[in-house]
Amino acid sequence: KNEVEQSPQNLTAQEGEFITINCSYSVGISALHWLQQHPGGGIVSLFMLSSGKKKHGRLIATINIQEKHSSLHITASHPRDSAVYICAVRSSVSGGSNYKLTFGKGTLLTVNP
Amino acid sequence: NAGVTQTPKFRILKIGQSMTLQCTQDMNHNYMYWYRQDPGMGLKLIYYSVGAGITDKGEVPNGYNVSRSTTEDFPLRLELAAPSQTSVYFCASSYGTGDSNQPQHFGDGTRLSIL
Repeated sequence: KNEVEQSPQNLTAQEGEFITINCSYSVGISALHWLQQHPGGGIVSLFMLSSGKKKHGRLIATINIQEKHSSLHITASHPRDSAVYICAVRSSVSGGSNYKLTFGKGTLLTVNP
Repeated sequence: NAGVTQTPKFRILKIGQSMTLQCTQDMNHNYMYWYRQDPGMGLKLIYYSVGAGITDKGEVPNGYNVSRSTTEDFPLRLELAAPSQTSVYFCASSYGTGDSNQPQHFGDGTRLSIL
């Protein structure tokens, strides 16, 4: 079983819809990252959070440490939001593995006009 | 500000050939990482470095070598290319001290095919 599970794997939406992508993890973490990978392949860091909620423009990321769960929300989705969204966690274990991120397989989002 | 620069963007190798994937960053980040991304899988860490002269294995180091002689550069070497190494390779960097959490900055990737 993957340490980081994302759902759904694929998501198709109409422009303007509210989008939710979920991430569940099984280990204790010190931080959770949300990343965006566009069709061209480049990866961009969207959020890094260890508690609560963060907002940037139309993107909102939340995390519930007790439930080991995070969500990425996109409000008023737009075709340019089409990308793969990746969740990654940094273990809270001290030592060498502390530097390691464990990645989910990603959620492919397609927003149609 | 260029960020993280990877070269080449694409490469086709024959089985048994060797090559070096180049990665350089201009953000004075002390941490650097190499990942591979296979279809339908999450990124896997190959090697990482916490500073010049210090490198360590990640999850999937077999068949690869790295060096970190300067803060800026972190090349990844494939000595005897095998079809299993066909993948997209990403270099990343971050600033960090101890247990601090910082975002990672990624290069655009190198798409490598071994035939």
